[in-house]
Amino acid sequence: GAGVSQSPSNKVTEKGKDVELRCDPISGHTALYWYRQRLGQGLEFLIYFQGNSAPDKSGLPSDRFSAERTGESVSTLTIQRTQQEDSAVYLCASSLGLADTYEQYFGPGTRLTVT
Amino acid sequence: QKEVEQNSGPLSVPEGAIASLNCTYSDRGSQSFFWYRQYSGKSPELIMSIYSNGDKEDGRFTAQLNKASQYVSLLIRDSQPSDSATYLCAVFTGTASKLTFGTGTRLQVTL
Repeated sequence: GAGVSQSPSNKVTEKGKDVELRCDPISGHTALYWYRQRLGQGLEFLIYFQGNSAPDKSGLPSDRFSAERTGESVSTLTIQRTQQEDSAVYLCASSLGLADTYEQYFGPGTRLTVT
Repeated sequence: QKEVEQNSGPLSVPEGAIASLNCTYSDRGSQSFFWYRQYSGKSPELIMSIYSNGDKEDGRFTAQLNKASQYVSLLIRDSQPSDSATYLCAVFTGTASKLTFGTGTRLQVTL
């Protein structure tokens, strides 16, 4: 079946502009995660959603970052007043649920460049 | 101490040899462990998951887990040039309900 999809695949924006990144999880997956990967570095957890529970926002680096998810479908990650340090690949992953035995599958990512 | 530690490499092995990738973790309560492969410019791809002590084999890949030593490894038999990638170890931290990733080990398989 279809995997996790993300759009856009690339985004170039000017410093100070707002950007919206979209993630469409695998159908039936109730858990959705956002990660950030800076060039040459590891994955940094940002936020996760599980069903209708309150999201875990503990990884969001500043209040310029926010995310929403409607039910168990699409999620959007919004970065306001972008800074150059926000340049990274933003990865979305989904899994069947939140339990530790559920494997996470990643989308292709959105490469964000802030000029 | 980092939560999940991996040697960054590069680990260079000749084609046909066994590549051994290692990972240690700090949370003794962790129960689930995953290996992802990430090609340059691509997103991580799940290779193996392991939940119990011992070995788990899938084709040319074997994951090994030792919870007492807080150590998980990935063996790749008959290494191929197409195995050249960065291998990420990920540990599910139950209390936080999230995956914590190591920074990855870059593997180079030489002809």
